[in-house]
Amino acid sequence: DSGVTQTPKHLITATGQRVTLRCSPRSGDLSVYWYQQSLDQGLQFLIQYYNGEERAKGNILERFSAQQFPDLHSELNLSSLELGDSALYFCASSVGAHVRNEQFFGPGTRLTVL
Amino acid sequence: AQSVTQLGSHVSVSEGALVLLRCNYSSSVPPYLFWYVQYPNQGLQLLLKYTSAATLVKGINGFEAEFKKSETSFHLTKPSAHMSDAAEYFCAVSDRRKTSYDKVIFGPGTSLSVIP
Repeated sequence: DSGVTQTPKHLITATGQRVTLRCSPRSGDLSVYWYQQSLDQGLQFLIQYYNGEERAKGNILERFSAQQFPDLHSELNLSSLELGDSALYFCASSVGAHVRNEQFFGPGTRLTVL
Repeated sequence: AQSVTQLGSHVSVSEGALVLLRCNYSSSVPPYLFWYVQYPNQGLQLLLKYTSAATLVKGINGFEAEFKKSETSFHLTKPSAHMSDAAEYFCAVSDRRKTSYDKVIFGPGTSLSVIP
C-alpha cells in the first residue's frame, strides 16, 4: 500500500459525458502527478501540481483539467469523453516538487468509455 | 526531445537465472533515470533511480542498474530471478535541465515472465 488513494476504482460512462477522478496523496506529500496508461500510448504524464499550483504539464488534452485543493487532494476532470479516453488513470504523489523525489503511485482508476 | 526505448516487450527467464532488462535513452544531457515495476492490477513502484551519484545503482528486491553514458544505457539486472519478480517493468527518463525538469517520460515497458 503506497498510501495514495484513488476513487473510484472503476468508472464506466458514455461518449460525450464528463467524469471526475479523485486522488488523495500520502500524508505530508505536496506534489500530485496524474498519468494516463493505455495499450496504444503506454504510460503518459499528464500534469503535476505542487501545493495547489500547477507545476508542469505533459500530454494533457484541452478537454481534461485538474486542480489541487487546499487539503492537497486533487481531481482530474475529463469532459466530452471519447472512446479513446478509455484507460487507466494513475495519480502519484511526492514530498517535493522535483522529479528526483520518489513518486508513490495509487492503484489507479480504470475508465471505460462506451 | 528526450525518449527512452526498451528492447524486448516480453522477456522470459527461468527461476534462478539472471534477469537483464534493457533500457536506452536519447538525450543531449545525461538525464535522471528510473526503473519502475508494476504488478498486475497495481500502480507503479520505484525500483531504483540514477541522479548523477554512483553509476551503479542498487534498488529494492535485489535489482540494480548501471548508467553507461557512452552507451546511453541504463539496463536493469538481478542475479537470480524469483517467481515474485514476474511483472511489467518500465524505464523512465527525466530531463535534468531546469526548463523541463518535472516531466517524466516512460518507456513502453517490458513484461517479465519467470518460468519455474
